[in-house]
Amino acid sequence: DSGVTQTPKHLITATGQRVTLRCSPRSGDLSVYWYQQSLDQGLQFLIQYYNGEERAKGNILERFSAQQFPDLHSELNLSSLELGDSALYFCASSAYGQGGPNTFGSGTRLTVV
Amino acid sequence: ELKVEQNPLFLSMQEGKNYTIYCNYSTTSDRLYWYRQDPGKSLESLFVLLSNGAVKQEGRLMASLDTKARLSTLHITAAVHDLSATYFCAVDIWGGGATNKLIFGTGTLLAVQP
Repeated sequence: DSGVTQTPKHLITATGQRVTLRCSPRSGDLSVYWYQQSLDQGLQFLIQYYNGEERAKGNILERFSAQQFPDLHSELNLSSLELGDSALYFCASSAYGQGGPNTFGSGTRLTVV
Repeated sequence: ELKVEQNPLFLSMQEGKNYTIYCNYSTTSDRLYWYRQDPGKSLESLFVLLSNGAVKQEGRLMASLDTKARLSTLHITAAVHDLSATYFCAVDIWGGGATNKLIFGTGTLLAVQP
C-alpha cells in the first residue's frame, strides 16, 4: 500500500456521461497530481494541486476539471465522456520540497462504452 | 515542446546478461525519476536523481544522470526474470515553489527470458 488511495478502482460508463474520480494523498503530502495512461498517449500529466491551489497544468481537456479540498483529498471530474477517454487514471502525491510525485495510487481504470 | 525519449522501446534479454536503457530529454532539468510498472499495476518509484553526475544503485539496477547531455541511463546487471516489467523515466519540470510537472518517457518494456 503506497498510502495514496484512489476510488473507484474500475468504472464503466457510457459516452456523454460524467464521472468523478477520487484521490486521498499520502498522509502529510500537500501536493496531488493527476495522470492519464493510455496505449496511444502514454503517461500524460494532467494537473497538479498544492494545498488546495492549482499549481501546474498539462494536457488536460476542457471537459476535465479537478479540485483539491481542505482535507487535501482531490477529485478529477470528467464530463461529456468519449470513447477515447478510456484510460487508467493515476493520482500521485508528494510533500513540499521533495520535488515531483513519488508515490502513486493504484489507479482508476475508466472504460467508456 | 519537451520531449522525453526512451530507447529501446522493447528489450528482450536473457537471464544473466547486462543491458542499458537510455532516456534523453530536450529541456533543462536537474531532477529525473525512474519508475517500474508491472502489467495493470501502479508505478513504483525506483530512483530519484537530483543532480548532475548522480548515480544510484539498488540491487541489479543502477541509474545515472548527466544533465549536461540531458541523458539518464538505467543499467541492468545480470538480469533475472523478476525484473520483467515496463520501465519509465520521467523528467521533473520545476516551476518554482511547490510547482512540479513530471513528464514521462515512452517506457521500455523489458522481458527477461530464462
